[in-house]
Amino acid sequence: EAEVAQSPRYKITEKSQAVAFWCDPISGHATLYWYRQILGQGPELLVQFQDESVVDDSQLPKDRFSAERLKGVDSTLKIQPAELGDSAMYLCASSSPGGATTTTKQYFGPGTRLTVT
Amino acid sequence: QKEVEQDPGPLSVPEGAIVSLNCTYSNSAFQYFMWYRQYSRKGPELLMYTYSSGNKEDGRFTAQVDKSSKYISLFIRDSQPSDSATYLCAMGLNSGAGSYQLTFGKGTKLSVIP
Repeated sequence: EAEVAQSPRYKITEKSQAVAFWCDPISGHATLYWYRQILGQGPELLVQFQDESVVDDSQLPKDRFSAERLKGVDSTLKIQPAELGDSAMYLCASSSPGGATTTTKQYFGPGTRLTVT
Repeated sequence: QKEVEQDPGPLSVPEGAIVSLNCTYSNSAFQYFMWYRQYSRKGPELLMYTYSSGNKEDGRFTAQVDKSSKYISLFIRDSQPSDSATYLCAMGLNSGAGSYQLTFGKGTKLSVIP
């Protein structure tokens, strides 16, 4: 069964350092999402891509976060500089294109657990 | 008030019990209603998906949506220790090209005691 891949699974970094996370969606999935999940909370959407284009990044703190999906396949989320409050699980999800009257399901990867010290 | 409210629990039940999990929402524009299961330190796994009011059954799981009351439920029959996890409700809003954006509840942590 195809899965969303993410790496690294765990990352510990000091505040003010740069950190990057990678996501490889399920093959053929045009839509890719990055979510942040703080401990004890549900995931919150950071950014949505359709192929290589950003559909919505209104919840992405753009002063320190950036996301790209250059070839419309895998994606990278970067934080620079990291702050203590960025400690969370960063989840990637993907879905295949829906039709005019149908939509599809989002499948999540295992996540990257970030700890900022 | 958050758009999606979910009692975080924790909820502890004996094996074989019927479990009821609930969420309320305030945005009437939500079109899709989902339940995800998340084991500790893992990504969410889609359990149930529906877009209309009424019941949808899949094995031991039944999802119920009442759009008029803005209320969704997940029932688990004959609960098993392997059902111990955090259950997240999620509401979807169409974002074009057959995709949607999800707004999640906080999650309810369930423990099924053997």
